[in-house]
Amino acid sequence: EVQLVESGGGLVQPGGSLRLSCAASGFSFNNYAMSWVRQAPGKGLEWVSGISSGGGSTYYADSVKGRFTISRDNSKNTLYLHMNSLRADDTAVYYCAKHVLVLIRGSDYWGQGTLVTVSS
Amino acid sequence: QSVLTQPPSVSAAPGQKVTLSCSGSSSNIGDHYVSWYQQLPGTAPKLLIYDNNKRPSGIPDRFSGSKSGTSATLGITGLQTGDEADYYCGTWDSSLSTPVFGGGTQLTVL
Repeated sequence: EVQLVESGGGLVQPGGSLRLSCAASGFSFNNYAMSWVRQAPGKGLEWVSGISSGGGSTYYADSVKGRFTISRDNSKNTLYLHMNSLRADDTAVYYCAKHVLVLIRGSDYWGQGTLVTVSS
Repeated sequence: QSVLTQPPSVSAAPGQKVTLSCSGSSSNIGDHYVSWYQQLPGTAPKLLIYDNNKRPSGIPDRFSGSKSGTSATLGITGLQTGDEADYYCGTWDSSLSTPVFGGGTQLTVL
């Protein structure tokens, strides 16, 4: 059974940093592209960042470029999102999502999400 | 403002059929696979359709997807109250080189 379990969310002050993790199991993690998708309270889905199966290619939404860094450790079956210079509008539930092989195709499994709140 | 355009809300009666639309451009829907997701209140999104019209295992055939030009459609037949949810379309955008989502459609079954 495919499982994606996010962790690392919480309350952080504006300008602060946070690292999200996504522990994957039930599939060959190193064969699939992965993404982070967020959802602000009462809003729709916003794709944030994605990474190829081997980690060699990374992609970012303009809203987070230069502030967030996606990475993966295929030996630990774990996806990460390093978030710096956090702003109030980064407040959202952050989902880890597995792609149907590559980034240009949809996401067939999603984690339960972890809430990030940026507030003083 | 989302790259893909979806109607904010749609309603239909139980047992009826409904179609949800998703409009894009040549750089996204026109040239790439479309996926559809269902998000029930308080839960994570769930994949309903991928590669325009394929259903993952476990998704009933009441759900169907199609694409024509720069638009895509999700069809749901035999509506049930349990289908009340937000529905999102998604695809790749060649101009942005990123995945993109529609703003979502809230489906009410009344």
